[in-house]
Amino acid sequence: DIQMTQSPSTLSASVGDRVTITCRASQSIGGWLAWYQQRPGKAPKLLMYKASSLESGVPSRFSGSGFGTEFTLTISSLQTDDFATYYCQQYNSYSWTFGQGTKVEIK
Amino acid sequence: QVHLVESGGGVVQPGTSLTLSCAASGFTFSTYGMNWVRQAPGKGLEWVALISYAGSNKYYADSVKGRFTISRDNTKNILYLQMNNLRAEDTAVYYCAKDRFLELPGAMDVWGQGTTVTVSS
Repeated sequence: DIQMTQSPSTLSASVGDRVTITCRASQSIGGWLAWYQQRPGKAPKLLMYKASSLESGVPSRFSGSGFGTEFTLTISSLQTDDFATYYCQQYNSYSWTFGQGTKVEIK
Repeated sequence: QVHLVESGGGVVQPGTSLTLSCAASGFTFSTYGMNWVRQAPGKGLEWVALISYAGSNKYYADSVKGRFTISRDNTKNILYLQMNNLRAEDTAVYYCAKDRFLELPGAMDVWGQGTTVTVSS
C-alpha cells in the first residue's frame, strides 16, 4: 500500500497567518490527491481534489499544489473557522490511504 | 439536498457480526461509487471499502479483507457493510461517503454523520 506522511502533525498559528501543510507519498501518485478538513465531532469535508482543484463552495484562501510524491495545502490567511484537522488522501491505486492528519491549533 | 444517513452501529462482542446501512438521497445513487471510511477513537481516517456504481467492482483495505463485504441496492438507494468476525481494533465511527465524480473513484465529496461500532467483551 502507498503510505502518506503529513507534516507537521500539529501546527499552532494565529488568525491571519499563512499556513502550509505538506503531504508526502511513499511512491508516485501523479496528481491523484485530495485534502479534507475535519472539525471535532463532525464528518470530513472535501476541500481539494486532483491536488489543486478547489471543491465548489470552499473559500479561495485554500489552495493545493504538487505532483508525484510531494504535495502541499496552503491557507493564505487563516480564519477562525479553519482551526481543525486536515487530512490528505491518495487515490492513485485501489487501496486509498490517508495521511495521519495535521491539527491546526490557535496559538 | 444530497444526504447520506448511516445506521446499524452498536456494541458487539468480538467474533460476532454486524451490518451497517447507509441511506442515500438527493442524487442519482446508481451512478456513483460509494465508500466506507472509519475513524477509531482519537485516531485518523482509514478507508475501508469501495464499491463501483453498478456494484460489479469491490475493493477493500487489507485490514478488513476477507471479513467485511460491501454491497449496494440501487433500487432502494442503500449502501451496506457486512462485518464478520469483528475485532476490538474495528471499534470506530464508520462513515459512508460518495465519490466526487462519475466513474472516477477517489475523492469523496459527500459524507454521512457516521455510526459508531464498539467491539468489546
